[in-house]
Amino acid sequence: KNQVEQSPQSLIILEGKNCTLQCNYTVSPFSNLRWYKQDTGRGPVSLTIMTFSENTKSNGRYTATLDADTKQSSLHITASQLSDSASYICVVTTPQKTGANNLFFGTGTRLTVIP
Amino acid sequence: DTEVTQTPKHLVMGMTNKKSLKCEQHMGHRAMYWYKQKAKKPPELMFVYSYEKLSINESVPSRFSPECPNSSLLNLHLHALQPEDSALYLCASSQDGLVGDTQYFGPGTRLTVL
Repeated sequence: KNQVEQSPQSLIILEGKNCTLQCNYTVSPFSNLRWYKQDTGRGPVSLTIMTFSENTKSNGRYTATLDADTKQSSLHITASQLSDSASYICVVTTPQKTGANNLFFGTGTRLTVIP
Repeated sequence: DTEVTQTPKHLVMGMTNKKSLKCEQHMGHRAMYWYKQKAKKPPELMFVYSYEKLSINESVPSRFSPECPNSSLLNLHLHALQPEDSALYLCASSQDGLVGDTQYFGPGTRLTVL
């Protein structure tokens, strides 16, 4: 069964600290993995996308890693800011099949950054 | 313009009402999506339109009826909804729905069914 699991469910950190969010998936076959940031009541915004051959991708203070062998990804946030408070969603994509859904969303990690 | 807009932002409706949610993008994207998101849950795909044709319907009840009048617009017509349909409805678009596409999401419509 194609599943995407994220941990922790929620996380509270002090402003300025670093944190790492985890994503484990059983989706197969694999095309790519994305991390999205979703502010409360807003639509998700793409942070990074990685294909099978990429194992690190950075976007400012966000660095995503991918281990396609163990089917694990992480999102590392450096020097957290209050505006980083949001849900972070891992999305895994399978190759396109006509008429089939090929996106699998994780349950998300709710990050709260406190001053 | 890298924005997907959705109207209205909030909608409260009774179970006998008929209403519509609207989504618009001007990025030249040819794939558009409707998702439903309950609190603290990931978005669930409802419909996908590719080149203005419905390509995916994830077994959504007929009280939800999508419409794609042109490549920039996507509507979701609502009729005889149930209280459990209350959720955030997200619209997204992508270049042409292929695997490498990034989906750009709108801000969502917060729907409450009384």
